[in-house]
Amino acid sequence: QSALTQPASVSGSPGQSITISCTGISSDVGNYNSVSWYQQHPGKAPKLMIYDVSNRPSGVSNRFSGSKSGNTASLTISGLQAEDEADYYCSSYTSSFTYVVFGGGTKLTVL
Amino acid sequence: EVQLVESGGGLVQPGGSLRLSCAASGFTFSSYRMSWVRQAPGKGLEWVANIKQDGSEKYYVDSVKGRFTISRDNAVNSLYLQMNSLRVEDTAFYYCARGGYNYGIWGQGTLVTVSS
Repeated sequence: QSALTQPASVSGSPGQSITISCTGISSDVGNYNSVSWYQQHPGKAPKLMIYDVSNRPSGVSNRFSGSKSGNTASLTISGLQAEDEADYYCSSYTSSFTYVVFGGGTKLTVL
Repeated sequence: EVQLVESGGGLVQPGGSLRLSCAASGFTFSSYRMSWVRQAPGKGLEWVANIKQDGSEKYYVDSVKGRFTISRDNAVNSLYLQMNSLRVEDTAFYYCARGGYNYGIWGQGTLVTVSS
């Protein structure tokens, strides 16, 4: 079982918006603004999409946005496009014995 | 170009050892905490270890403590992961990544297969 909880799958049609949740506890998501989101296409290395809850690295589309409320962080993708179909992972710094924890991943299907 | 290139993966028997390397280029390696993240085939990402810029602090996931050692050589811009007492469950792609808890740069990964 992963330390952060994500839905196994989400889907949406082109042009729609979807949100992926990432639930942790007070020792990680709840108390630190160190949540990141990664996109991973099959056979490729992960790509950073959001860092520190809501910041986008240079070059990442503004269709991707992040937020946090309590112990749950969220990734929202607006104006879904076919190339957004991928696996998405959240991660957080944690004050527990492990330095970083990942979510189990969410498979996004663009219908 | 900012780049990380891993090497050293391969097939090893349970109980064996392997040393992974990660060559960094295009950025000031000594300015960044560095990490190893692994992914078993068809599974999710798992953080493995990270090391502070000067090597003075190291952190590990519980499942590898006492078996894996992370190290770095800033003179040659390289990160390492010494893996001893390997288990079948250590089978994974191993990625090196730039950063302590968010990773803007990843290598292409190197596959470690532990099997008899």
